[in-house]
Amino acid sequence: EIVLTQSPGTLSLSPGERATLSCRASRGVSSSYLAWYQQKPGQAPRLLIYGDSNRATGIPDRFSGSGSGTDFTLTISRLEPEDVAVYYCQQYVSSPLTFGGGTKVEIK
Amino acid sequence: EVQLVQSGAEVKKPGESLRISCKGSEYSFTNYWIGWVRQMPGKGLEWMGIIYPGDSDTRYSPSFQGQVTISADKSINTAYLQWSSLRASDTAIYYCARRAEGAEFFQHWGQGTLVSVSS
Repeated sequence: EIVLTQSPGTLSLSPGERATLSCRASRGVSSSYLAWYQQKPGQAPRLLIYGDSNRATGIPDRFSGSGSGTDFTLTISRLEPEDVAVYYCQQYVSSPLTFGGGTKVEIK
Repeated sequence: EVQLVQSGAEVKKPGESLRISCKGSEYSFTNYWIGWVRQMPGKGLEWMGIIYPGDSDTRYSPSFQGQVTISADKSINTAYLQWSSLRASDTAIYYCARRAEGAEFFQHWGQGTLVSVSS
């Protein structure tokens, strides 16, 4: 089973700042098989990024994904108040599918 | 617009059985895998298993194999998650989610079903 470790656990930033979220895999994952989700309080998760850093439908271009091998990054270029959420990475290169533990993004 | 509508919250006692549902609409239900994801209180997401409604091919995470049963009724575009004997540790929100075509990430999610198990 591929274990995904996300860091930091919580990220507290001001509006307009850049947020950098990390996802590290216990073994290599092609970037084509990594996704990111956003879960706002009290809501279901929503797909943000999939495959080779493709944004899902309706996702603003301030969200971007990058990385390869075992290290991946979700970047929010300019943090907005509505970006307050927990963000999860997920690998789908091998079964069982696994999610990271999440990074909570807060606004200062 | 693709929709996944899940059944309502449940309150059950340990040892009871339960089946929750997920009804898909506005897409070809038989052609896309539907997965189930658990979220325990204050915790992260855990993949439980997945079913292809077209032929009921089902896969389980080793962590959930034997603990739950995933099924589907393609005549009514509905997938199910069921327990034969609930435990307090089954208390969680359960999400169904539709897989993307040709890739195992989840493109569309249901609203979630809260299952509370307590004596």
